[in-house]
Amino acid sequence: AQRVTQPEKLLSVFKGAPVELKCNYSYSGSPELFWYVQYSRQRLQLLLRHISRESIKGFTADLNKGETSFHLKKPFAQEEDSAMYYCALPRAGTASKLTFGTGTRLQVTL
Amino acid sequence: DAGVIQSPRHEVTEMGQEVTLRCKPISGHDYLFWYRQTMMRGLELLIYFNNNVPIDDSGMPEDRFSAKMPNASFSTLKIQPSEPRDSAVYFCASSVLPSPGNTIYFGEGSWLTVV
Repeated sequence: AQRVTQPEKLLSVFKGAPVELKCNYSYSGSPELFWYVQYSRQRLQLLLRHISRESIKGFTADLNKGETSFHLKKPFAQEEDSAMYYCALPRAGTASKLTFGTGTRLQVTL
Repeated sequence: DAGVIQSPRHEVTEMGQEVTLRCKPISGHDYLFWYRQTMMRGLELLIYFNNNVPIDDSGMPEDRFSAKMPNASFSTLKIQPSEPRDSAVYFCASSVLPSPGNTIYFGEGSWLTVV
């Protein structure tokens, strides 16, 4: 069965420090993976998807099939990055039905 | 487009009362999802619809929860009777037909507190 695991509930870093939000998955086949972000009292929104191989707001994520990971990284954290981050992948058989991890709260402090 | 619209934004109700949450998906989207967000369990899919038809309701916690989609532009999630453990943020989301990399668009959520 497919599963997304985000081992950290809270990650606290100083401004300017590197950030790595961990995501591991189990999936049969080639997964499509996503990172969603929820800023304080705002709607959940797509941050990036691995298929696009894009960098959004300085964040990147590389799919590592060997380690079954899709960690979200940013070299220098900013205060405005403080938010809840969810890793997600589609349920088998439907690309639109996403399974989300339990989320990691990123707290960037001065 | 205003995006996915949910109402109410906030609701406080007493245990045992009926709660109805409403959602208007983005026009043209064929899929509609109801998610529940809690601190302990994160984001859980409760039910989703395709072309107004419920496809998978395996995430609905129990019979107290029900969801309907009478037409392409409106859906409700009802809890009757409500209990304190139902307190959570309920998100509605919509998307177009599935294809690799499609985005799901979320509403701003309905913050439910049952006392």
